Amino acid sequence: DQQVKQNSPSLSVQEGRISILNCDYTNSMFDYFLWYKKYPAEGPTFLISISSIKDKNEDGRFTVFLNKSAKHLSLHIVPSQPGDSAVYFCAAPYGQNFVFGPGTRLSVLP
Amino acid sequence: DAGVIQSPRHEVTEMGQEVTLRCKPISGHNSLFWYRQTMMRGLELLIYFNNNVPIDDSGMPEDRFSAKMPNASFSTLKIQPSEPRDSAVYFCASIPGFAGNTIYFGEGSWLTVV
Repeated sequence: DQQVKQNSPSLSVQEGRISILNCDYTNSMFDYFLWYKKYPAEGPTFLISISSIKDKNEDGRFTVFLNKSAKHLSLHIVPSQPGDSAVYFCAAPYGQNFVFGPGTRLSVLP
Repeated sequence: DAGVIQSPRHEVTEMGQEVTLRCKPISGHNSLFWYRQTMMRGLELLIYFNNNVPIDDSGMPEDRFSAKMPNASFSTLKIQPSEPRDSAVYFCASIPGFAGNTIYFGEGSWLTVV
């Protein structure tokens, strides 16, 4: 049973527009969330995180929103750039482990 | 500072052969993870170690898979015998301390079993 879900396997967005990547979780014990970005032939790299005591965290073009009541978070990229094309994973630390979603492949079209 | 280092980066082997993947975590990190990435399941945790001790290996697919961490700077993931369905990218990752908030990944080992 997946505790972290990313229901959209892929997303295509025009350059300059907003990209919205969604993530849902089932475990209400999760209190911290991370987004990772993965380019082909590379390992995932940390992008941005949010604590459950916040509902928004912003870092440049990247903003993560957390809706605890809905157990939902989203990553907004504005404006989207071709270099943002990658697979994005949502993750949550859980005990001594990390639980990852299956990923969403973002394609930003020039 | 060097990141998590994995070898080999690419491996092509025949079914039935033994495969050994290697990992050097970031110096000072206490926990090490082995993940497998496939199209169907995304990132699956196989096993993780804390202070060189295996904590949870429930993600290891079957007895053909084994992992060791003989010291704080080295870990191996072994598949014997390998099968075509083991073809995937295997990532090693480490975190500083216990249940740290950011996990650092290596660049992965791409395994193809033919």
